[in-house]
Amino acid sequence: QKEVEQDPGPLSVPEGAIVSLNCTYSNSAFQYFMWYRQYSRKGPELLMYTYSSGNKEDGRFTAQVDKSSKYISLFIRDSQPSDSATYLCAMRRNRDDKIIFGKGTRLHILP
Amino acid sequence: DAEITQSPRHKITETGRQVTLACHQTWNHNNMFWYRQDLGHGLRLIHYSYGVQDTNKGEVSDGYSVSRSNTEDLPLTLESAASSQTSVYFCASSEVGGGNIQYFGAGTRLSVL
Repeated sequence: QKEVEQDPGPLSVPEGAIVSLNCTYSNSAFQYFMWYRQYSRKGPELLMYTYSSGNKEDGRFTAQVDKSSKYISLFIRDSQPSDSATYLCAMRRNRDDKIIFGKGTRLHILP
Repeated sequence: DAEITQSPRHKITETGRQVTLACHQTWNHNNMFWYRQDLGHGLRLIHYSYGVQDTNKGEVSDGYSVSRSNTEDLPLTLESAASSQTSVYFCASSEVGGGNIQYFGAGTRLSVL
C-alpha cells in the first residue's frame, strides 16, 4: 500500500461549482498536511497547510484533515477557470522530515 | 525578489553521457531538494541537502549524485544517462524548520535518447 493515495483524475467541473479533492494515507505518524497547486509546465507552489486534524480556510479554499480516517480534503468554492491545475496533496511526520507527495489530481474548470 | 532558477529548461542527451542540471536559489535557504516527476508516479525525491557539504539520498537516488559547495547551488549530475531517466526534474528549497513551504523551480525537461 502506498503511503499516500490520490486519484489522478482528470476531474472536470463547470465554473462556479464546489470542487472536492481528496487523499488517503496509511502512516498515522503524519502530522503536517499540505496542498500544492501546479500549473502546466510550472513547478508546484504551496496553496495551504494544516497541522494535525481540523479545518483551515483561506478565501475560496478549505483544507480538512480527518486523522481518525486518515483522509484529507481540499474544497474549492466558486471554482474559476484559473483554478484549472494539478493539485498535489503532501504530508510529513514532523518539521524535520521529508515531504511525501501524492501523485496529483488534474482539475479542469469548464467556462 | 528571491527566486529559484533551474537550467537548462530543456535538455536532450544520449544514453551513457554525463549530464548536470543546475539549480540556484537566492532565498538563502539551507535546505535544497531534487525531485523527478513522472506520469503515474508523481514527485519522487532524488537527493536533498540540509546545508553546505551535507547531501543525502532520497527515494530514487541510483544513477544520480549531488554536491553542495555553497548555500545557493545544488547541481544534480546523472553519471551515465539512461532512457529511464527521461523525466521532468524539479529543484526546491526551504527554510530550516519551515519545510512545509518548499519553493520550486520551473523544472528541467530531460530527454535521454
